[in-house]
Amino acid sequence: QEKVQQSPESLIVPEGAMVSLNCSFSDSASQSIWWYQQHPGKGPKALISIFSNGNKKEGRLTVYLNRASLHVSLHIKDSQPSDSAVYLCAVNGNEKITFGAGTKLTIKP
Amino acid sequence: AQTIHQWPVAEIKAVGSPLSLGCTIKGKSSPNLYWYWQATGGTLQQLFYSITVGQVESVVQLNLSASRPKDDQFILSTEKLLLSHSGFYLCAWSLAAKTEVFFGKGTRLTVV
Repeated sequence: QEKVQQSPESLIVPEGAMVSLNCSFSDSASQSIWWYQQHPGKGPKALISIFSNGNKKEGRLTVYLNRASLHVSLHIKDSQPSDSAVYLCAVNGNEKITFGAGTKLTIKP
Repeated sequence: AQTIHQWPVAEIKAVGSPLSLGCTIKGKSSPNLYWYWQATGGTLQQLFYSITVGQVESVVQLNLSASRPKDDQFILSTEKLLLSHSGFYLCAWSLAAKTEVFFGKGTRLTVV
């Protein structure tokens, strides 16, 4: 069964800082990797995805995937207080989707 | 535009009582449907998925069952609730495997 580990568990940074979130997964088979944002009491919302090794940039978000090391990271540039939320890494293999426990991100104004 | 509606928004139920949670997706034909559960402060856990009417696959056994009676409807139920069933239940849909999953607003269940 797929295992997804995220680090750190929580992170507090000042507004404007670069944020780096990490995710390790257990199966190197071809799945898509997704990052979701979840606010308290709400359903998660997809931010960005990656399938192939390398990186992908969308706005202030950049995601890096290394299948050989079973690692993916999300970087948020110029962080804003509105970015404060829980960030979930998800490995999407066919109909089974495994989520990590999340990183709670707090951006201090 | 596609919309996903979950009901009820919140429930407080007694141990041993039955439960039925529902979800309707409008604006999309034959979506993949999912049920997720999240204990307070816990990890989002996939419970069931369905790729077509009448077919539901279980991912985790939690003494719950799911059904898809119509293309746009997904139902989660149990005849006898346990304290451990408390948490946040989320219905979700996607166009296909490995694509973006869209979540509903969730149902907060408290079993007392």
